[in-house]
Amino acid sequence: AQSVTQLGSHVSVSEGALVLLRCNYSSSVPPYRFWYVQYPNQGLQLLLKYTSAATLVKGINGFEAEFKKSETSFHLTKPSAHMSDAAEYFCAVILYSGAGSYQLTFGKGTKLSVIP
Amino acid sequence: AGVSQSPRYKVAKRGQDVALRCDPISGHVSLFWYQQALGQGPQFIFQYYEEEERQRGNFPDRFSGHQFPNYSSELNVNALLLGDSALYLCASSPAGTSGETQYFGPGTRLLVL
Repeated sequence: AQSVTQLGSHVSVSEGALVLLRCNYSSSVPPYRFWYVQYPNQGLQLLLKYTSAATLVKGINGFEAEFKKSETSFHLTKPSAHMSDAAEYFCAVILYSGAGSYQLTFGKGTKLSVIP
Repeated sequence: AGVSQSPRYKVAKRGQDVALRCDPISGHVSLFWYQQALGQGPQFIFQYYEEEERQRGNFPDRFSGHQFPNYSSELNVNALLLGDSALYLCASSPAGTSGETQYFGPGTRLLVL
């Protein structure tokens, strides 16, 4: 079964510092890959989506992700953290599950704190 | 407008039944339901498309649902257990796709006492 592992349940960075959130997945077949953000008491918002052969994908709010097929990983980065980036971040992969449908599998999430 | 869910908060007692509602983005026809326990990522419950359950995750039959002709959906949880306390998320995806991009609602937080 597909598994998604996010490294670090809690990451703290200083305002203005680099943000790096790590995610690995187990499938040997490159699936679609996503990063979602969840602010307190809200649903999930799509940050970025990877569906092509490009190695670097830019998302919203200045986030981007580099996809390394050989490492089955896709880490989320942002050059300079802002206080408004404090939230929980989820990576997810999607696999074709048959009958014309896809199924999303999420990691457990990484809570990002930004220190002023 | 985005995906909407109601109610936003629900308190129920163990053994009771609850119904949670989801209204998709206009033009979206597939509905997906997820359970997000505290400190966990969302877990897939099931998908509805054309008023039928198309795929299902590893959840017991106490979890059932329905999709209405206007594409809105209802999640029913029967005989509630304390462990059913969670945030229940609904997501919709556009017509002509198979759910590879899903747009999430704000969720319904269910507390079972």
